[in-house]
Amino acid sequence: QKEVEQDPGPLSVPEGAIVSLNCTYSNSAFQYFMWYRQYSRKGPELLMYTYSSGNKEDGRFTAQVDKSSKYISLFIRDSQPSDSATYLCAMRKGSARQLTFGSGTQLTVLP
Amino acid sequence: DGGITQSPKYLFRKEGQNVTLSCEQNLNHDAMYWYRQDPGQGLRLIYYSQIVNDFQKGDIAEGYSVSREKKESFPLTVTSAQKNPTAFYLCASSLWDRGRDGYTFGSGTRLTVV
Repeated sequence: QKEVEQDPGPLSVPEGAIVSLNCTYSNSAFQYFMWYRQYSRKGPELLMYTYSSGNKEDGRFTAQVDKSSKYISLFIRDSQPSDSATYLCAMRKGSARQLTFGSGTQLTVLP
Repeated sequence: DGGITQSPKYLFRKEGQNVTLSCEQNLNHDAMYWYRQDPGQGLRLIYYSQIVNDFQKGDIAEGYSVSREKKESFPLTVTSAQKNPTAFYLCASSLWDRGRDGYTFGSGTRLTVV
């Protein structure tokens, strides 16, 4: 069983929709949670970083962490065609610097 | 501008050959990492290095080797012992004591066995 599970999609939504992307994890040692966006044939770029349970907002993006349920989410409001990419959740344990990634969700926002 | 440069962008390897992927960063980051990305499997850690002349195996190190002779450089060699090397390889770096900054990734090298 993978430590981090992520629905691979693909997910297609119309422009302007609210998108919800999710990951679950099995190891309670994970303390730090990130979301990366990866455009085709490019390296991932960091979107959001969270530590504690609760919500963190940055523009159209909201990251949510529920440590009791071992569940993290990324919400995208007013989605745009430029948001079309693969979204990867990532997490790390305590003082470790290695990240464990989900398999990624491929998102397409249709104009 | 600071960043990570991976080269080449595309690489073709014949059966039985060793090939080396280059990764250079000018971000003054302490730590560097190599990940492999396959469709549907996300990123898997091959090797990482916290400081010069020191590196640790990740989850899938078999068939790979690395060196860290300079802070800026962390080349990855895919040896003939790696039986399924066709994949997208990503190099990343971070400040070791600033975990909340996350990783900075390069643009990747796509390796294909021919």
